[in-house]
Amino acid sequence: AQSVAQPEDQVNVAEGNPLTVKCTYSVSGNPYLFWYVQYPNRGLQFLLKYITGDNLVKGSYGFEAEFNKSQTSFHLKKPSALVSDSALYFCAVRDPTGGGNKLTFGTGTQLKVEL
Amino acid sequence: NAGVTQTPKFQVLKTGQSMTLQCAQDMNHEYMSWYRQDPGMGLRLIHYSVGAGITDQGEVPNGYNVSRSTTEDFPLRLLSAAPSQTSVYFCASSYSSGRGEQYFGPGTRLTVT
Repeated sequence: AQSVAQPEDQVNVAEGNPLTVKCTYSVSGNPYLFWYVQYPNRGLQFLLKYITGDNLVKGSYGFEAEFNKSQTSFHLKKPSALVSDSALYFCAVRDPTGGGNKLTFGTGTQLKVEL
Repeated sequence: NAGVTQTPKFQVLKTGQSMTLQCAQDMNHEYMSWYRQDPGMGLRLIHYSVGAGITDQGEVPNGYNVSRSTTEDFPLRLLSAAPSQTSVYFCASSYSSGRGEQYFGPGTRLTVT
């Protein structure tokens, strides 16, 4: 069975500092990995994905994530945080060989960027 | 393009009532899915469809029915509402069930009293 873990319920960072939101996964095959962001009272918006190829993936709004197969991680990063980045972030995984068509989400990490 | 639309935005039901949450997309996506979002639990898959006439169960299907008669529409039916179904419901679609990112609707906030 596929699963994903976001070990931090909340991450606080000062504006201008780098930020990291952690995600680890478990699948039987090679994973497809996704990050989504949710602003208050809105649906989820796609940020970036890893399917294959370069381990460093760049996405929207200056976010990037690094796929690390040995550590089964896909941490979300941004070099310089903005107050407007404050939102709820979800990591998601799909196992195309063992998980079929299902996408499994983590429980979410609340990012708070302060002045 | 309107993207993924959901109606209603808010709904209050009494225990035992039934209702249908509507979802439509205008992107010609084959894959559509329904999730519920509860605090501290992330998003959990209720039902999904890989094309018109094809549906399958997700992680938490009990108490919900779906059908997919057209590519555009994927309604979610609550058969007999229970307080445990109080949640925010999101519909999503994608062009590929594997590699494609999902596009989400704005959500329906449902309260069952």
